Amino acid sequence: NAGVTQTPKFQVLKTGQSMTLQCAQDMNHNSMYWYRQDPGMGLRLIYYSASEGTTDKGEVPNGYNVSRLNKREFSLRLESAAPSQTSVYFCASSELGGTIQYFGAGTRLSVL
Amino acid sequence: AQRVTQPEKLLSVFKGAPVELKCNYSYSGSPELFWYVQYSRQRLQLLLRHVSRESIKGFTADLNKGETSFHLKKPFAQEEDSAMYYCALFNQGGKLIFGQGTELSVKP
Repeated sequence: NAGVTQTPKFQVLKTGQSMTLQCAQDMNHNSMYWYRQDPGMGLRLIYYSASEGTTDKGEVPNGYNVSRLNKREFSLRLESAAPSQTSVYFCASSELGGTIQYFGAGTRLSVL
Repeated sequence: AQRVTQPEKLLSVFKGAPVELKCNYSYSGSPELFWYVQYSRQRLQLLLRHVSRESIKGFTADLNKGETSFHLKKPFAQEEDSAMYYCALFNQGGKLIFGQGTELSVKP
């Protein structure tokens, strides 16, 4: 039982490059989330998907897009990476309406 | 405004000393509050939630609605408690709002 799996674990990009962060969960959860973690800022919600087929903006959505591919998978895309997007990205999932979220191990992204 | 504030970025204590990580919240309504912990090189995980009123790894947290606080306490800190701790509030929109985090360092 892997829980929430994120790939890749590390990535270095040049400014302007694009990439997709992948997230998959095997807990049959309806809701999935993408956060970024920055020192002194805590975790901030980028996008979330309450259920398959729906996505909504969180607190800091600019520069990102998401796709809820199916119930298991929720990807985060950076179309044109900027140094300000250097961060650790976490994916999480929960039951629909559930208050407890389960987190992946994170992706450490550096944009040069 | 819905907000969670953890005033200490870093808290350093010696092994065996009491520890209190502060969390204050701003929320109109009945809050549901949590503490999440991230040990070095591990994923963020739930430590405890106020509705369960339980002690996990010796930690407790009491919701004080009058002071809008949910401080995390442990009477005797251990070295393995060293980690990043996040206080979080679950809002009516179904989202978790996290505080800035407090890094706890327990020295031998």
